[in-house]
Amino acid sequence: DAGVTQSPTHLIKTRGQQVTLRCSPKSGHDTVSWYQQALGQGPQFIFQYYEEEERQRGNFPDRFSGHQFPNYSSELNVNALLLGDSALYLCASTARPSYEQYFGPGTRLTVT
Amino acid sequence: EDQVTQSPEALRLQEGESSSLNCSYTVSGLRGLFWYRQDPGKGPEFLFTLYSAGEEKEKERLKATLTKKESFLHITAPKPEDSATYLCAVQEGRGSQGNLIFGKGTKLSVKP
Repeated sequence: DAGVTQSPTHLIKTRGQQVTLRCSPKSGHDTVSWYQQALGQGPQFIFQYYEEEERQRGNFPDRFSGHQFPNYSSELNVNALLLGDSALYLCASTARPSYEQYFGPGTRLTVT
Repeated sequence: EDQVTQSPEALRLQEGESSSLNCSYTVSGLRGLFWYRQDPGKGPEFLFTLYSAGEEKEKERLKATLTKKESFLHITAPKPEDSATYLCAVQEGRGSQGNLIFGKGTKLSVKP
């Protein structure tokens, strides 16, 4: 049973550029959430997708956007990158009605 | 204000020395409290979900308990492989799926 997968593993971008991160949920899961984890901090909720729509959003600017595809996979897009966007980006999936979220290995984004 | 506070920030134990990690929370209507283990540079690994005060769950050397204000993660006779950061997260009762609100974690080091 494949768990949550994310790509790429690592990414280095320059300030002002745009980046797209990808996530495939655990088999049987239809809801995907994205989190940002800065060094030494707990994960911070960005947004959650269900039925190809953004259902809930955390306190992140509009530079952060996402998409969910019919096969439940998801993308996170960040525009106009800032140095402060450097972090581990985590994707988590869950199956309704369960509330247990299972995380992927993350994508380490470095903005220079 | 912090909704989830974990203590201590760091804990160093000798192999076999039992101890407890604390997670206190202030949310309106707790839907669930979650414990995760996170190794450096990796995504959080799901450990337990607790839904109501008085509930307890065990897995190998770990036991999680829940009261109305806090949760404890008890580690009995820890081994060096238990070294990791332990994250606590809560999910509020409102909304559908619900985002997770994380604490900053407790970094556990177990020396042989």
